[in-house]
Amino acid sequence: GDSVTQMEGPVTLSEEAFLTINCTYTATGYPSLFWYVQYPGEGLQLLLKATKADDKGSNKGFEATYRKETTSFHLEKGSVQVSDSAVYFCALNYGGATNKLIFGTGTLLAVQP
Amino acid sequence: EAGVVQSPRYKIIEKKQPVAFWCNPISGHNTLYWYLQNLGQGPELLIRYENEEAVDDSQLPKDRFSAERLKGVDSTLKIQPAELGDSAVYLCASSPSSGQNTEAFFGQGTRLTVV
Repeated sequence: GDSVTQMEGPVTLSEEAFLTINCTYTATGYPSLFWYVQYPGEGLQLLLKATKADDKGSNKGFEATYRKETTSFHLEKGSVQVSDSAVYFCALNYGGATNKLIFGTGTLLAVQP
Repeated sequence: EAGVVQSPRYKIIEKKQPVAFWCNPISGHNTLYWYLQNLGQGPELLIRYENEEAVDDSQLPKDRFSAERLKGVDSTLKIQPAELGDSAVYLCASSPSSGQNTEAFFGQGTRLTVV
């Protein structure tokens, strides 16, 4: 079945460091891909998405490119801030009759000043 | 605009007792989801509603879990009787449609502890 695999955390970085959180997926079709973020004490919120192969999603300095050939959707940011500390979830969705987000296990990012 | 509202935020109950969670989705959102999030895991879908109809409840343990969405707006998820393994965070989400690219908006969740 369809699934999402994320790198295990926690990921601990110093402020202004480069961030990569790996995400790979297994899919029988052509889903859309998402990154959701959960800040402490808050609900999950959409960070970015990509709807087809080679699409790049971006938001708040974060980027991820839909790579069909490697079935990956790695999250990157050039310079992290303390305020980026959160749990990041990679997910896929086909929509329609099978509309549901299939999430990875989440990666905790801790950014130190 | 108000987001998805869930209550209560926290609930502690003894095993074998019933418990209910309430969700008020974003106004105008036809699609409502309940997800279960176990500690250290990603959320997993329990049930999805399109308006008042439960269109995907394949992952809902129907022997003890039930849900309803009255008039296609608010929703309630119930567990009766609760078991120790039900301790988790129960998330409600809504979206304006079931499109593949549609963003789901999540509430803050209800953290259930069964003792």
